[in-house]
Amino acid sequence: AQSVTQLDSHVSVSEGTPVLLRCNYSSSYSPSLFWYVQHPNKGLQLLLKYTSAATLVKGINGFEAEFKKSETSFHLTKPSAHMSDAAEYFCVVSDGGSYIPTFGRGTSLIVHP
Amino acid sequence: NAGVTQTPKFQVLKTGQSMTLQCAQDMNHNSMYWYRQDPGMGLRLIYYSASEGTTDKGEVPNGYNVSRLNKREFSLRLESAAPSQTSVYFCATSGGVSLYQETQYFGPGTRLLVL
Repeated sequence: AQSVTQLDSHVSVSEGTPVLLRCNYSSSYSPSLFWYVQHPNKGLQLLLKYTSAATLVKGINGFEAEFKKSETSFHLTKPSAHMSDAAEYFCVVSDGGSYIPTFGRGTSLIVHP
Repeated sequence: NAGVTQTPKFQVLKTGQSMTLQCAQDMNHNSMYWYRQDPGMGLRLIYYSASEGTTDKGEVPNGYNVSRLNKREFSLRLESAAPSQTSVYFCATSGGVSLYQETQYFGPGTRLLVL
């Protein structure tokens, strides 16, 4: 069975400082991993995804994530936070065992001026 | 292109009432999904349809039914609404055949309050 854990429910940063949102996963197969972003009162939008190609994945708006199999992690980073990054972020795992994506509970990113 | 559209945007129901949430896509995608989002719970899959004519249960199907009317439309029905079904409902689509590797595209959501 697959599962995903987002290690922080809230992360607070100052504008211009680095962002780190942590995600650990569990999967019995080779997983696909995704990060989605949800701005207030909006639907979800894909930031980036890993599907067994390069382990360092670059996404939109300067975000990137690294797939580390040995650590079963897929942390999301950005070198410099912007006010517009304030949103809810979801880590998602999916594999060939169930085909149904499993969402983490979300991390709320707060960006202070 | 509108992408994924959902109607209605908001709805208030009384316990025991029924309603249908509508989802339509113009992306020519094969797969469609219904999720519910509750505070602190992430998104949980209710039902999905991998292709026109097929539907399958997700993680939390009890109290819901779905219809894949055609390739474009996927509706979610609450036959007898309960307060526990108060939530935000999202429809999503994906385009490929390899379900577990596909990007999902989400609609704007329907906010449902059951009194």
